[in-house]
Amino acid sequence: KAGVTQTPRYLIKTRGQQVTLSCSPISGHRSVSWYQQTPGQGLQFLFEYFSETQRNKGNFPGRFSGRQFSNSRSEMNVSTLELGDSALYLCASKWTPYNEQFFGPGTRLTVL
Amino acid sequence: GESVGLHLPTLSVQEGDNSIINCAYSNSASDYFIWYKQESGKGPQFIIDIRSNMDKRQGQRVTVLLNKTVKHLSLQIAATQPGDSAVYFCAENQSRNAGNMLTFGGGTRLMVKP
Repeated sequence: KAGVTQTPRYLIKTRGQQVTLSCSPISGHRSVSWYQQTPGQGLQFLFEYFSETQRNKGNFPGRFSGRQFSNSRSEMNVSTLELGDSALYLCASKWTPYNEQFFGPGTRLTVL
Repeated sequence: GESVGLHLPTLSVQEGDNSIINCAYSNSASDYFIWYKQESGKGPQFIIDIRSNMDKRQGQRVTVLLNKTVKHLSLQIAATQPGDSAVYFCAENQSRNAGNMLTFGGGTRLMVKP
């Protein structure tokens, strides 16, 4: 069974631009969560989606948004990029909210 | 806000020795705790978890201990191997809105010397 895939793996953007990151969960998994990982703040929870509904949201500004499609694939969008948005963005999927969570390799976003 | 933290940022051990990685948490409402291993260039990988109604759980070469009195979590790795070299994160889960969210600690880098 294929693992969680994230595209693109690497991305370079400039301040003020927007970006969309994609996550394909493990087949059959309906829950997708997103995390931001930085050296300074560590791993921080962004959102959790289950069956196309956002269940939980972390403490991030409204520039960060996400959605989940009927096939459980998820996207997250960051608008008006800032230098501090440079990070590794990780997606994780699980079958239900109460199962083990599997992480993808992440998308490395660099904002110049 | 409440968060999970770690005492030691780097731990260096000799191959074959046992390793202990510690973690302090602050949210007594957390219902289970998870340890993850992250190797360079990869996402975190699940190692072991423990529910809040337990105080010990064992896996293959790993043991997690939970002390709710002092809000402390530890991961013990027996007979540490070079392949165990990685960054280890503890995380606490809060069930909310029919879903859940993880709060991660800062991470401990484990270096295994051959």
